[in-house]
Amino acid sequence: GESVGLHLPTLSVQEGDNSIINCAYSNSASDYFIWYKQESGKGPQFIIDIRSNMDKRQGQRVTVLLNKTVKHLSLQIAATQPGDSAVYFCAESGGRRALTFGSGTRLQVQP
Amino acid sequence: GAGVSQSPSNKVTEKGKDVELRCDPISGHTALYWYRQSLGQGLEFLIYFQGNSAPDKSGLPSDRFSAERTGGSVSTLTIQRTQQEDSAVYLCASGGGGLDTQYFGPGTRLTVL
Repeated sequence: GESVGLHLPTLSVQEGDNSIINCAYSNSASDYFIWYKQESGKGPQFIIDIRSNMDKRQGQRVTVLLNKTVKHLSLQIAATQPGDSAVYFCAESGGRRALTFGSGTRLQVQP
Repeated sequence: GAGVSQSPSNKVTEKGKDVELRCDPISGHTALYWYRQSLGQGLEFLIYFQGNSAPDKSGLPSDRFSAERTGGSVSTLTIQRTQQEDSAVYLCASGGGGLDTQYFGPGTRLTVL
């Protein structure tokens, strides 16, 4: 994925607010998309996925939206909690089964 | 159940030395992936194993990097003649293959002095 070095885009929200994290992908052949959450010193943790034949999928407090026309993916977190603070990565699978990761967004939740 | 495990969790080595990183995937998972994550960056694909098929090595950055998966389970990533730019967290993931979720281990932090 595109590198942004040490300066990840950061989204800062108040506890209890809703968060929206956005991701643009480049491969129009991608057919599977995943959002991962990564806390400091840990491996990425699966949050939610969506296949290309869908445009919306909901989980517990999370919703993923897929817009294939503009190649855009978003993750919505409802009632954001301090434990949601982490770096969030979108990933796509296009053709080969290995994932291509975005550069990540840091979510900071203010108590 | 047990998740993906990796060892060692941290490895410090001198430039020019060889290192081996180990991954134990989730039992029953046929697919195994290696990724590399440099400080503050996203994950970079290295290599992918699926069952008995030939591995997809298209992400390996140089011929100093190699990996094997014995018995369709445990995998070892080997980096020969390590360089300082090899310093990164090496992450392993496993899954059912195809359009299936990949589950990640905690990673091995490699530091090349």
